[in-house]
Amino acid sequence: ETGVTQSPTHLIKTRGQQVTLRCSSQSGHNTVSWYQQALGQGPQFIFQYYREEENGRGNFPPRFSGLQFPNYSSELNVNALELDDSALYLCASSAEPGAFSEAFFGQGTRLTVV
Amino acid sequence: KQEVTQIPAALSVPEGENLVLNCSFTDSAIYNLQWFRQDPGKGLTSLLLIQSSQREQTSGRLNASLDKSSGRSTLYIAASQPGDSATYLCAVGVNAGNMLTFGGGTRLMVKP
Repeated sequence: ETGVTQSPTHLIKTRGQQVTLRCSSQSGHNTVSWYQQALGQGPQFIFQYYREEENGRGNFPPRFSGLQFPNYSSELNVNALELDDSALYLCASSAEPGAFSEAFFGQGTRLTVV
Repeated sequence: KQEVTQIPAALSVPEGENLVLNCSFTDSAIYNLQWFRQDPGKGLTSLLLIQSSQREQTSGRLNASLDKSSGRSTLYIAASQPGDSATYLCAVGVNAGNMLTFGGGTRLMVKP
């Protein structure tokens, strides 16, 4: 068991709404990354948080935003939802940024936008 | 921009076969490479992490190799079992933050 937990597991939202997804990192991990996985594709990097600061961002618009809390848990917020935002959202935690750091993933949140 | 490709996209083999999954990447300046397994609709399970200075890693029936100069990694699965059926993803760590760039995956089916 990886120890990374995400909530909720499934979510249905209407186009134009806002959504918040949550992630609890594995004990001892201070780095959280978020990924979007469309059906049949590999995950794409959204952004990473390290010690409560954004540490890097992929090619996603500003309506994708995040937070990391002092206990290193994290939120992903998406505003003005579009149909193409329907995907599996994955959270990964690791001990520290770096080459020796293995990423452990949660079970994901399946978001459907209708 | 780093691009990761996995070939084949899908593979069906009879139980007991040894098999090789391929992963290629365009920029050899990677920090590490990780192989994952994903069951349908589920999250990713880490299988093996190879640091950029390493050539291979082994875990049970799995062996992963890394050739940075040629931009290639292979995942070798020995004596495949029906329980190995899943999608296998490779991902390269592109910077010190270990932000991962993924391939599209290989969907493996092992038939009894």
